[in-house]
Amino acid sequence: NAGVMQNPRHLVRRRGQEARLRCSPMKGHSHVYWYRQLPEEGLKFMVYLQKENIIDESGMPKERFSAEFPKEGPSILRIQQVVRGDSAAYFCASSIGYEQYFGPGTRLTVT
Amino acid sequence: AQTVTQSQPEMSVQEAETVTLSCTYDTSESDYYLFWYKQPPSRQMILVIRQEAYKQQNATENRFSVNFQKAAKSFSLKISDSQLGDAAMYFCASPNYGGSQGNLIFGKGTKLSVKP
Repeated sequence: NAGVMQNPRHLVRRRGQEARLRCSPMKGHSHVYWYRQLPEEGLKFMVYLQKENIIDESGMPKERFSAEFPKEGPSILRIQQVVRGDSAAYFCASSIGYEQYFGPGTRLTVT
Repeated sequence: AQTVTQSQPEMSVQEAETVTLSCTYDTSESDYYLFWYKQPPSRQMILVIRQEAYKQQNATENRFSVNFQKAAKSFSLKISDSQLGDAAMYFCASPNYGGSQGNLIFGKGTKLSVKP
């Protein structure tokens, strides 16, 4: 049973470009969470999705950030017009209860 | 608001010795879960141990055990017979019962070093 998959593992973008981060949950899991981790900090919740629905986006910046989890395919976290402050590790987790299983993360570097 | 607090930014232990990492939390729930996650240099988040608040018995997973004190809202992690591979960041976490009850709230972490 494959774990949570994230790609790419590393992503470099210039300021102003778009970043697309992908997450495939564990088989059978229909809940997906995105977290952001800044250097030397813990993970901070961004958004919680179920298939075709955003359940809670209270942790996501109002501008430039969006997320989706379509009926088919991976969940996507999209950051438009990236800025240097977006440089961080972005983790996806999936669950079927309170226990969450994390992917390896995508490290985004904005130059 | 629900909070999770780790007051030890860094800890160090000698190989084969025992170390305890502290975590306190605040919640208005009577039944809830608590978790410890390990993040090694690879940055993969690994679930180490979970505790259900209604269970009196402290959870144990091999060399890892917790000291759960519900009244004090304390949830410490004990690592026995420490190994070099235990060196990592350790995060305490709890589900956000005040929100959508989906996401986890993490402490700031404790960086554990293991000396050979």
